[in-house]
Amino acid sequence: EPEVTQTPSHQVTQMGQEVILRCVPISNHLYFYWYRQILGQKVEFLVSFYNNEISEKSEIFDDQFSVERPDGSNFTLKIRSTKLEDSAMYFCASSEGANVLTFGAGSRLTVL
Amino acid sequence: AQSVTQLGSHVSVSEGALVLLRCNYSSSVPPYLFWYVQYPNQGLQLLLKYTSAATLVKGINGFEAEFKKSETSFHLTKPSAHMSDAAEYFCAVSVGYGGSQGNLIFGKGTKLSVKP
Repeated sequence: EPEVTQTPSHQVTQMGQEVILRCVPISNHLYFYWYRQILGQKVEFLVSFYNNEISEKSEIFDDQFSVERPDGSNFTLKIRSTKLEDSAMYFCASSEGANVLTFGAGSRLTVL
Repeated sequence: AQSVTQLGSHVSVSEGALVLLRCNYSSSVPPYLFWYVQYPNQGLQLLLKYTSAATLVKGINGFEAEFKKSETSFHLTKPSAHMSDAAEYFCAVSVGYGGSQGNLIFGKGTKLSVKP
């Protein structure tokens, strides 16, 4: 069964460092998403991406965050200058049409 | 604003017993509703979805959910729990249209334990 793959599974970084989380969506999917889950809290929508541009973003997705689809297969989330509160599990998802999302296993980010 | 409330952060049942996980939603427009399951160290897997067709929705692994508009509920049930059902379950609502339909609002999750 096709799956969304995310790397790394766990990353530890120092506050202020840049982090790039990578995702390989399912190959025929057109919509791409990032969500995050801070420990003990809800899974929260960050951003959706379609047709090579951001289609929607939440209030969380400020100027420190950016997304890119640098080639035909990868979808990345960059955090420019990490803060302690960015520590969370980040989930990538993709969908063929809208609203039936397939999620990856997540990338755990720990900011020290 | 849309929201989802899952009653009970932790539910424990015996193997073979009924599973009932509760979800209530708030939405000013007809919602799309979902249940996802997360096994340890894995991603969120879609169990079932309601998209305004039949109100009783059947999903994978013997789970089903009933959309009740009058109660704004979408509770998840399974007649007989199995040990392999132990996981965390998330209810989610989507009220966007077009490209916004992937903007899901999740509940806090309910961790299901199954006792032998």
